Amino acid sequence: EAGVAQSPRYKIIEKRQSVAFWCNPISGHATLYWYQQILGQGPKLLIQFQNNGVVDDSQLPKDRFSAERLKGVDSTLKIQPAKLEDSAVYLCASSSTLPAGGNLYEQYFGPGTRLTVT
Amino acid sequence: RKEVEQDPGPFNVPEGATVAFNCTYSNSASQSFFWYRQDCRKEPKLLMSVYSSGNEDGRFTAQLNRASQYISLLIRDSKLSDSATYLCVVNFRGGSARQLTFGSGTQLTVLP
Repeated sequence: EAGVAQSPRYKIIEKRQSVAFWCNPISGHATLYWYQQILGQGPKLLIQFQNNGVVDDSQLPKDRFSAERLKGVDSTLKIQPAKLEDSAVYLCASSSTLPAGGNLYEQYFGPGTRLTVT
Repeated sequence: RKEVEQDPGPFNVPEGATVAFNCTYSNSASQSFFWYRQDCRKEPKLLMSVYSSGNEDGRFTAQLNRASQYISLLIRDSKLSDSATYLCVVNFRGGSARQLTFGSGTQLTVLP
């Protein structure tokens, strides 16, 4: 089974520039999450989608961050304009809503995009 | 106060040692508990769920104390391959279904 795919793996931009990250979840997973992980900290949830609808975006800095999952599969996360404090790894995760076949709460993470803002 | 707190470590232990990590959570309505493992520069992966009665998976034992809002992970007979950051993770009742809150992690290095 293919895992969660993310691109790019690395990105270096200057402050005030824009950047976009892409995620393709595990096939059939209805729930998709974007996390921000700053060095030395645990992942912090930015936004959660159920199919193409937003479940929770309470921790998303909406003045500069946006995310979409238009067809309920792939998702993009955008930062515009970037700030120095946005330097982090952006992790995408997905989980299944099906009760059979495992832990409902298990989230499968992609390899992340390491963003450096200079 | 952080919702999920862990001792950041680092814990440096020799091979074969037993090591224990602790975690506390602030929300008494928390529902489900997990330990995730994150290797250096890699993504987190589920290590094990934590059940009220305590549970064991090979060399790993997880315990939950709801009254003290405390979770622990015990690793026996440590291997070099156990070197990683261990993340304490909680699902809060009342939060979005399947939404997880992560601690900052405890770093473990097993030395030869």
